[in-house]
Amino acid sequence: EAQVTQNPRYLITVTGKKLTVTCSQNMNHEYMSWYRQDPGLGLRQIYYSMNVEVTDKGDVPEGYKVSRKEKRNFPLILESPSPNQTSLYFCASSPDRTSYNEQFFGPGTRLTVL
Amino acid sequence: DQQVKQNSPSLSVQEGRISILNCDYTNSMFDYFLWYKKYPAEGPTFLISISSIKDKNEDGRFTVFLNKSAKHLSLHIVPSQPGDSAVYFCAAASGGSYIPTFGRGTSLIVHP
Repeated sequence: EAQVTQNPRYLITVTGKKLTVTCSQNMNHEYMSWYRQDPGLGLRQIYYSMNVEVTDKGDVPEGYKVSRKEKRNFPLILESPSPNQTSLYFCASSPDRTSYNEQFFGPGTRLTVL
Repeated sequence: DQQVKQNSPSLSVQEGRISILNCDYTNSMFDYFLWYKKYPAEGPTFLISISSIKDKNEDGRFTVFLNKSAKHLSLHIVPSQPGDSAVYFCAAASGGSYIPTFGRGTSLIVHP
């Protein structure tokens, strides 16, 4: 089954404690991205990757890092989380950056930073 | 300043009737428009799209209309079904960046 998986699904942490949210896809997609969804703001793209070792900033990259060492994985790293990063995070993948109709989203990770 | 606006946070419709979800945009560089559907505790799923060279795209019960002069698009669902109850996001992208800009979403409730 084609899917994008994220872990953990829920996380409560404290300010400053480094964390990583993993994302994995099994469709051999080249393009992967991370979004955050906040009440009243819709989804905003954090980072994207067009292929292995190729990453770039989206609209709201501050406070986040990503890596793309393998095609299937695209972890989101918060080196020093702050309360304003409390949000619902989605990972997505697609064959390329313009294949919106073939884009798959993960189920989401709800992060709370105290 | 929001470049993609969904001014109705919610919409309630009777089963079998038409649902019309609206979206306005301000950036004239947008040339590709998308609608996503999201159920609770799931990620969004792509629903339908339209490029700026068209004014209508239809896929089964779902039709998207684009009015470029008014910078307005709408999603029509006919007939509406209870399973259509979800949050619908409008998004827009330009050939320059390909990063979609999302609206805030409209929660659709279809009553049996």
